[in-house]
Amino acid sequence: KAGVTQTPRYLIKTRGQQVTLSCSPISGHRSVSWYQQTPGQGLQFLFEYFSETQRNKGNFPGRFSGRQFSNSRSEMNVSTLELGDSALYLCASGRTGMVEQFFGPGTRLTVL
Amino acid sequence: AQSVTQLDSQVPVFEEAPVELRCNYSSSVSVYLFWYVQYPNQGLQLLLKYLSGSTLVKGINGFEAEFNKSQTSFHLRKPSVHISDTAEYFCAVSGAGGGSNYKLTFGKGTLLTVNP
Repeated sequence: KAGVTQTPRYLIKTRGQQVTLSCSPISGHRSVSWYQQTPGQGLQFLFEYFSETQRNKGNFPGRFSGRQFSNSRSEMNVSTLELGDSALYLCASGRTGMVEQFFGPGTRLTVL
Repeated sequence: AQSVTQLDSQVPVFEEAPVELRCNYSSSVSVYLFWYVQYPNQGLQLLLKYLSGSTLVKGINGFEAEFNKSQTSFHLRKPSVHISDTAEYFCAVSGAGGGSNYKLTFGKGTLLTVNP
């Protein structure tokens, strides 16, 4: 069974641009969660989608948004990038929720 | 809301020695507790979880953790570590009641370094 895949693995953007990250969950998993990992703030929960609906949300500004498609694939978008958005963005999928999640390898975003 | 404190940011040990990584949590509701491991340049892997029942939880790779409600702790232990256990370990908590509490809050991580 294929694991969680994230594309792209590495991304370099400049301040003010926007970026879209993609996550393909494990087959049969309907929950997809997104996390931001930085050396200063650690791992922080962004949001969770389940059956195309945002079910839970962390404390991030509205520049961070996401969506989930009918095949459970999810995208995360960050608009008007700031230097502080440089981070490893991790996606995790679960069959019904976050109780047992499987993480992808992450997308490393660098904002210059 | 929940919070997690991992008491040690770095733990160096020698191979075959026992290790304990400490985790305390704070929550006003019942909780689920987790330990994840992250190897360099990889995502997180679930080591073990406590949802209910027995307070001693066994996970993968020989790790175990004990849920102590009175001390609000969930320490991770392994009786004999290997070089390959070198990684960063994260403790996480989620509210058990669903709704807005049902999201993972992570500790800052503990870097376990196993030396030969």
